[in-house]
Amino acid sequence: EAQVTQNPRYLITVTGKKLTVTCSQNMNHEYMSWYRQDPGLGLRQIYYSMNVEVTDKGDVPEGYKVSRKEKRNFPLILESPSPNQTSLYFCASSGTAQETQYFGPGTRLLVL
Amino acid sequence: GENVEQHPSTLSVQEGDSAVIKCTYSDSASNYFPWYKQELGKRPQLIIDIRSNVGEKKDQRIAVTLNKTAKHFSLHITETQPEDSAVYFCAATNDYKLSFGAGTTVTVRA
Repeated sequence: EAQVTQNPRYLITVTGKKLTVTCSQNMNHEYMSWYRQDPGLGLRQIYYSMNVEVTDKGDVPEGYKVSRKEKRNFPLILESPSPNQTSLYFCASSGTAQETQYFGPGTRLLVL
Repeated sequence: GENVEQHPSTLSVQEGDSAVIKCTYSDSASNYFPWYKQELGKRPQLIIDIRSNVGEKKDQRIAVTLNKTAKHFSLHITETQPEDSAVYFCAATNDYKLSFGAGTTVTVRA
């Protein structure tokens, strides 16, 4: 089954404790990206990756890191989480940015 | 960078009526405009998209129109049904970066 998976689905953590949210796709997609969803602000792109080892900033990259060492995986790293990073996070993949984005199930993060 | 504005933020319609959501974008180089639907507690899913070389596209009860000169595009849902109740997002991209609108919560009243 073609899918995008994210883990964990729910996470409660404390300020400053490094965390990683994993994202994996099995559709051989070149393009992957991370979004955060906040009430009234819609979906905002954090980082995107056009291919392995190629990543770039989206609209809200501050406080986040990503890596794309393999085509199928695109983890999101929060080196020192802060309460303003409490949000719902979605990973997505597609052939290119101009094709259907297939979203993962989302990760709900609470930073205390 | 690209800035996408979406209106209205909420929309309540009677079942069977039409719903229209409008978006404007700032970057004249943007050339791909998708619309996503997000049901409560679920992930966004593409419902329709349009490219800059096309003015209108239809898929059953859903249509999208694009006005490149005015830099705006709209989603039209006809004969609304309860299952159309959801949050709808427009988006725009010119290459690699994808910018979304803030979303429209559509409620279809029975």
